[in-house]
Amino acid sequence: NAGVMQNPRHLVRRRGQEARLRCSPMKGHSHVYWYRQLPEEGLKFMVYLQKENIIDESGMPKERFSAEFPKEGPSILRIQQVVRGDSAAYFCASSPGQAGSGNEKLFFGSGTQLSVL
Amino acid sequence: AQRVTQPEKLLSVFKGAPVELKCNYSYSGSPELFWYVQYSRQRLQLLLRHISRESIKGFTADLNKGETSFHLKKPFAQEEDSAMYYCALRYGGSQGNLIFGKGTKLSVKP
Repeated sequence: NAGVMQNPRHLVRRRGQEARLRCSPMKGHSHVYWYRQLPEEGLKFMVYLQKENIIDESGMPKERFSAEFPKEGPSILRIQQVVRGDSAAYFCASSPGQAGSGNEKLFFGSGTQLSVL
Repeated sequence: AQRVTQPEKLLSVFKGAPVELKCNYSYSGSPELFWYVQYSRQRLQLLLRHISRESIKGFTADLNKGETSFHLKKPFAQEEDSAMYYCALRYGGSQGNLIFGKGTKLSVKP
């Protein structure tokens, strides 16, 4: 099992462009989480998805950010019209089950470093 | 609002010395706390959680609700313990609703 795979590792965008970050969860995991780490800050929760459903998006900025986890393929975090303040490391995690199920341990990817010029 | 504070950005100790990485939290509900570790060039991984009351790699952490702390301790540090350590708080909502501290870099010198 290759673990949680994120790509690209590094993404450079100019202001106003779109950024697409991909996350393939571990095999057998149907729960995906996205976190953002700004420079000199801790990781902050953004969104929690299960296949084809957004469960909790309380940490997502209201505009320009969206996430999906389709039936087939990786989860995508999409940032439209990027600004310099979006520059950060974006981490994805997956788990096989829900909190309280005993199967809730999170496995993290290596992250995508987004740089906005 | 919920918050996790790790006051030390860097902690440097000699091999064999005791180590304590501090973590304080702010949360009005019933907290669920974790320690995550990231070794050099590796992914962030769970070290331990307070509900398990376990000892992993010699590390323990006790939740002190009175002091709102969850300090990570090890009596004798090893060089391989050198890593970034993040304290995290799960609050309400979904299981992924974790707030992380800014992290403490532990450096264990020979």
